Amino acid sequence: AQTVTQSQPEMSVQEAETVTLSCTYDTSESDYYLFWYKQPPSRQMILVIRQEAYKQQNATENRFSVNFQKAAKSFSLKISDSQLGDAAMYFCAYGEETSGSRLTFGEGTQLTVNP
Amino acid sequence: EAGVTQFPSHSVIEKGQTVTLRCDPISGHDNLYWYRRVMGKEIKFLLHFVKESKQDESGMPNNRFLAERTGGTYSTLKVQPAELEDSGVYFCASSQELAANTGELFFGEGSRLTVL
Repeated sequence: AQTVTQSQPEMSVQEAETVTLSCTYDTSESDYYLFWYKQPPSRQMILVIRQEAYKQQNATENRFSVNFQKAAKSFSLKISDSQLGDAAMYFCAYGEETSGSRLTFGEGTQLTVNP
Repeated sequence: EAGVTQFPSHSVIEKGQTVTLRCDPISGHDNLYWYRRVMGKEIKFLLHFVKESKQDESGMPNNRFLAERTGGTYSTLKVQPAELEDSGVYFCASSQELAANTGELFFGEGSRLTVL
């Protein structure tokens, strides 16, 4: 079974600085998708960034980028120029077409942004 | 456009009682998912509807949980009878395409269930 591990329950960063959240996963599949979701306090969880395993190029969305290391099964999220609004719980997730509907999530990393 | 709404936001019940959680997906989204996060652990998949049909219910923990989506619109998740280990946050999400392909899941704020 696929598993997703986030080894950092909590992280903190100073405003305007850069922080990296770690995620590793385990799978025997070669084609799959990886995601980072963000859940601000008392708000809905939203998709931050998505990576297809067949793509070598790391995904980027404005200040958010990933470091996807397929061989190492690692998928870290880098937040540049951190803002107060980035404070949230971040979840790493895995999905594959053969299990069409189901996403496997990690335990989450609580990010605090200090002014 | 209205997002995914869930009701109630928080429910506190005694062990052995029944609770029904409701989810209204985004209009037009055929795919509806239920997930659960227990005790600060990972978010776990419960089941997936395509319109009114259960596409995948492999994550349902046991037969005390019953999910329905009559008419392919809103969905309910009933826990009967509730046990202490059922406490957690129940998330509903909807999407136009399959979640694993696009990841474009639209989540509700979750329903927090506390069983005493």
